[in-house]
Amino acid sequence: QLQQSGSGLLKPSQTLSLTCDISGDSVSNDRVTWNWIRQSPSRGLEWLGRTMFRSQWWSHYAASVRGRLTIAADTSENRFSLQLSSVTPEDSAMYFCARERNGGHWDDPESWGQGTLVSVFS
Amino acid sequence: QTVVTQEPSLTVSPGGTVTLTCASSTGAVNGYFYANWFQQKTGQAPRALICATGVKHPWTPARFSGSLLGNKAALTLSGAQPEDEAEYLCLLYFRDEWVFGGGTQLTVL
Repeated sequence: QLQQSGSGLLKPSQTLSLTCDISGDSVSNDRVTWNWIRQSPSRGLEWLGRTMFRSQWWSHYAASVRGRLTIAADTSENRFSLQLSSVTPEDSAMYFCARERNGGHWDDPESWGQGTLVSVFS
Repeated sequence: QTVVTQEPSLTVSPGGTVTLTCASSTGAVNGYFYANWFQQKTGQAPRALICATGVKHPWTPARFSGSLLGNKAALTLSGAQPEDEAEYLCLLYFRDEWVFGGGTQLTVL
């Protein structure tokens, strides 16, 4: 089970910070990846990035947000986080955290985080 | 930037068969793209139908199947039902990056 937290109201140029608490699995599980996805009417579903543990921690990002996005794991709290800097109104969307199991087995969205509505306005 | 392309819209008759495809701007899609398919009805959250090209989830109706067709990933619906009217989205893996397609709006008419 994934439980999201974080503020969804921001002004342009601020940094979006979200956290996804994990229960029933470990953020250090080396057979899964931990992802952030967003959905908006204008951009549809968009994969943003992931973190995973494979002998060491790795993070990968979509080209559209690379340079602004940081995804990191917190093993002490069994959670992972998203930080998106320099937000613009284009970043307004519903944000979800999600798990993918090795070999492209994505969990059903019913098992994703509950979603956080992010609005960026001046 | 990698682009995943789907048919914008398709129509199928009740009881008919339709194939939706998912193409990559990088070339032919194969099993290592681990194609996933999601169904999203208006106003609802997406639901996963197919993972890893052709693996069905326990709740996926038998009339849906995933495969590779030519140089694309494909979702075939055999025996369309009115409740299958929805948007269908594919998701492909590109070496450390996942990319969603723009979706196919399927009309059952």
